[in-house]
Amino acid sequence: QKEVEQNSGPLSVPEGAIASLNCTYSDRGSQSFFWYRQYSGKSPELIMFIYSNGDKEDGRFTAQLNKASQYVSLLIRDSQPSDSATYLCAVVLSSARQLTFGSGTQLTVLP
Amino acid sequence: SAVISQKPSRDICQRGTSLTIQCQVDSQVTMMFWYRQQPGQSLTLIATANQGSEATYESGFVIDKFPISRPNLTFSTLTVSNMSPEDSSIYLCSVVRGAEETQYFGPGTRLLVL
Repeated sequence: QKEVEQNSGPLSVPEGAIASLNCTYSDRGSQSFFWYRQYSGKSPELIMFIYSNGDKEDGRFTAQLNKASQYVSLLIRDSQPSDSATYLCAVVLSSARQLTFGSGTQLTVLP
Repeated sequence: SAVISQKPSRDICQRGTSLTIQCQVDSQVTMMFWYRQQPGQSLTLIATANQGSEATYESGFVIDKFPISRPNLTFSTLTVSNMSPEDSSIYLCSVVRGAEETQYFGPGTRLLVL
């Protein structure tokens, strides 16, 4: 089992819809969770981080964490074509201080 | 956030040669990492660059192939030695900043080995 798993997609949503990106992790002791956005040819850009169970909102983005289910998600409301990118889930495993990344989900927002 | 620069931004190299990539941060950071992102893949950690001591390498990466220097808290280099086409990747440096220990990435170095 991979330490951090994401559906690779591609995921397509129409403009204005909610995009839902999901991530599961295997290390029950993990405490820190991050979402990065990576445009083609660019380096990853931090969108959000979440440490506590529940929801964390920042503008159109909401991160959701459920430690009991070892599940973290990212919701993008009112999706825009400019949101089209690969979204990377990253976890700080309990045995380390650096990030372990999922394989990424490619999102396309259709105008 | 952090201002991170990398040099070169891209390069095309011949098989068997070596390339040194530089990473400069705008202020002192404790944690600095080097990642590789092969075409169409996610990020893989190569090593943690430790200031004043040898880098800590992840499984599958060795010092002879990827020597790393960290002379101070704002600068590090990664060398890709004796390159082969399989080394064609984006190489990214990354630093940890802030109370939440969030990790930020440099712009990356795009390497093509012929």
